Amino acid sequence: ETGVTQTPRHLVMGMTNKKSLKCEQHLGHNAMYWYKQSAKKPLELMFVYSLEERVENNSVPSRFSPECPNSSHLFLHLHTLQPEDSALYLCASSQDRAGSGAPGANVLTFGAGSRLTVL
Amino acid sequence: DAKTTQPTSMDCAEGRAANLPCNHSTISGNEYVYWYRQIHSQGPQYIIHGLKNNETNEMASLIITEDRKSSTLILPHATLRDTAVYYCIVRRDRGSTLGRLYFGRGTQLTVWP
Repeated sequence: ETGVTQTPRHLVMGMTNKKSLKCEQHLGHNAMYWYKQSAKKPLELMFVYSLEERVENNSVPSRFSPECPNSSHLFLHLHTLQPEDSALYLCASSQDRAGSGAPGANVLTFGAGSRLTVL
Repeated sequence: DAKTTQPTSMDCAEGRAANLPCNHSTISGNEYVYWYRQIHSQGPQYIIHGLKNNETNEMASLIITEDRKSSTLILPHATLRDTAVYYCIVRRDRGSTLGRLYFGRGTQLTVWP
């Protein structure tokens, strides 16, 4: 397997369900991201992990709970979601060379996304 | 980060060059121009980036004006598979906010047969 793999590709859940989205990267990167893309809206950055530490949480509701157990895996735990949370959830990874000045440090590799529908 | 302005949509005939413009008049000296694209319902894909010199890779060419206030992404021979939303993003390559890319609405490029 190469690149960034997201599972499941499609998920339908009720508002009372608990589910998780999984992301795995095989690129040796040390930073991982969750983005949300709602219909007809720009991509929104949700969470950033660098070296397995959460470094950014863009005012995301607590019904979304990220987990990064190691540098290759990222989860997004979902509980008591609302229909407006239906969206494409995208995972990405990069090599975070903070402060090093290495060019191309903003090159992110994205997964294919998990399409979530909340009923 | 500097704000970017792109046309909402563009068309291009298959086999012709697609030239996608981006204005970034407030760009600062240490900010790079990045281009990504997103084919419908897929994750964005990195295309190319540059600082001030023109860049070329197997996917595209990036032309940055001398004053760096605008740039053009060139797909030399567009194919139907190049139909996508193209995002121009300006970011620094140093500091603690690496990788926090903020996507605007981009340009919807439609390549027609």
